[in-house]
Amino acid sequence: ELKVEQNPLFLSMQEGKNYTIYCNYSTTSDRLYWYRQDPGKSLESLFVLLSNGAVKQEGRLMASLDTKARLSTLHITAAVHDLSATYFCAVPPRFGNEKLTFGTGTRLTIIP
Amino acid sequence: DADVTQTPRNRITKTGKRIMLECSQTKGHDRMYWYRQDPGLGLRLIYYSFDVKDINKGEISDGYSVSRQAQAKFSLSLESAIPNQTALYFCATSDPYSGRRDEQFFGPGTRLTVL
Repeated sequence: ELKVEQNPLFLSMQEGKNYTIYCNYSTTSDRLYWYRQDPGKSLESLFVLLSNGAVKQEGRLMASLDTKARLSTLHITAAVHDLSATYFCAVPPRFGNEKLTFGTGTRLTIIP
Repeated sequence: DADVTQTPRNRITKTGKRIMLECSQTKGHDRMYWYRQDPGLGLRLIYYSFDVKDINKGEISDGYSVSRQAQAKFSLSLESAIPNQTALYFCATSDPYSGRRDEQFFGPGTRLTVL
């Protein structure tokens, strides 16, 4: 059974600082997805990582995937208040296009 | 814009009542999903459907049923609602043949409260 763990679960950081959110998964998969959720809102797709070594960047966020380590990171550079949200990673099984298993999420709060 | 919509957006009901949550999409995707979200538990899959004739249970299907009326419509029913079904419910779609593979697109959610 595929398990997906994120850490930290809660992160409070100051504006301007850098930090990394980690997503570990338990069985082999070569793809991973990151989503953002604002309070009371739906999930919005952030990054689609489709191979080992994939790196995607948008603004102050950068995501990477290491399929051998079963690890993805979401790096935040020079955080700003607008990045406050909950971030989820999601992993599919290696074979087949079935269903995603979501991590429990990281609630990120950026404080001035 | 092609979209995923859910109705109702908010619903308060009483224990034992039957309730239906509806999901419609204009994305033309074959695959549709129902999730529930509880604080601290992330998203848990209730049911999923790969096409109109293919419906599958997810990890927490007990107490729920679904109907795929058409490619664009996927409904979730609670036959006899109970308080621990109070949660935020999301519908999602995906197109595995797109370049983005398993990426899922989410509706706005339905906040359900069972008293």
